[in-house]
Amino acid sequence: DAGVIQSPRHEVTEMGQEVTLRCKPISGHDYLFWYRQTMMRGLELLIYFNNNVPIDDSGMPEDRFSAKMPNASFSTLKIQPSEPRDSAVYFCASKGSLTEAFFGQGTRLTVV
Amino acid sequence: KNQVEQSPQSLIILEGKNCTLQCNYTVSPFSNLRWYKQDTGRGPVSLTIMTFSENTKSNGRYTATLDADTKQSSLHITASQLSDSASYICVVSLNTGFQKLVFGTGTRLLVSP
Repeated sequence: DAGVIQSPRHEVTEMGQEVTLRCKPISGHDYLFWYRQTMMRGLELLIYFNNNVPIDDSGMPEDRFSAKMPNASFSTLKIQPSEPRDSAVYFCASKGSLTEAFFGQGTRLTVV
Repeated sequence: KNQVEQSPQSLIILEGKNCTLQCNYTVSPFSNLRWYKQDTGRGPVSLTIMTFSENTKSNGRYTATLDADTKQSSLHITASQLSDSASYICVVSLNTGFQKLVFGTGTRLLVSP
């Protein structure tokens, strides 16, 4: 298995634009997590899914953030409209019921 | 408040030397404690996981300890290598499953030749 795959690896966008981050979890994993990492705050959980259903989105900072998981092999995190303070590295991780979690390589987002 | 604090924030050591990273936590109810290694530009990778009843766990040159009474953990790296240069993150799980993790902000280690 290729592991958790995220795209794009880097994204630079202008303030106010819509940004969509993508994640393909490891096949067979039934949990999917979206994290944000900044120097100041470290890793923060934004939202997680179990069997494609959002379970806890209390970490989503604002209504500008939304996440979907239309099927077991794909999830998106969307920011609309984006702001400079959204600049961070966004990680997706997946986990099976009896396995450790595996993280993707992250998407570095820069909003100018 | 559930918190995980790590020290030092950053560390530089010479290749071949040993080092110890510290983690203090105030998380309740405690389930387990993980140490992750994060290389620059990569996602975190799990090194060790310890439950309440485990005092020590090794993974190659990495040895983690846990004192559940004092709520302290350490990660000891033996005979450091250049490839050990990374951020090391201490993560504590609440007793509600993996989903509820409290992350430390990490220790950035640089191993110098």
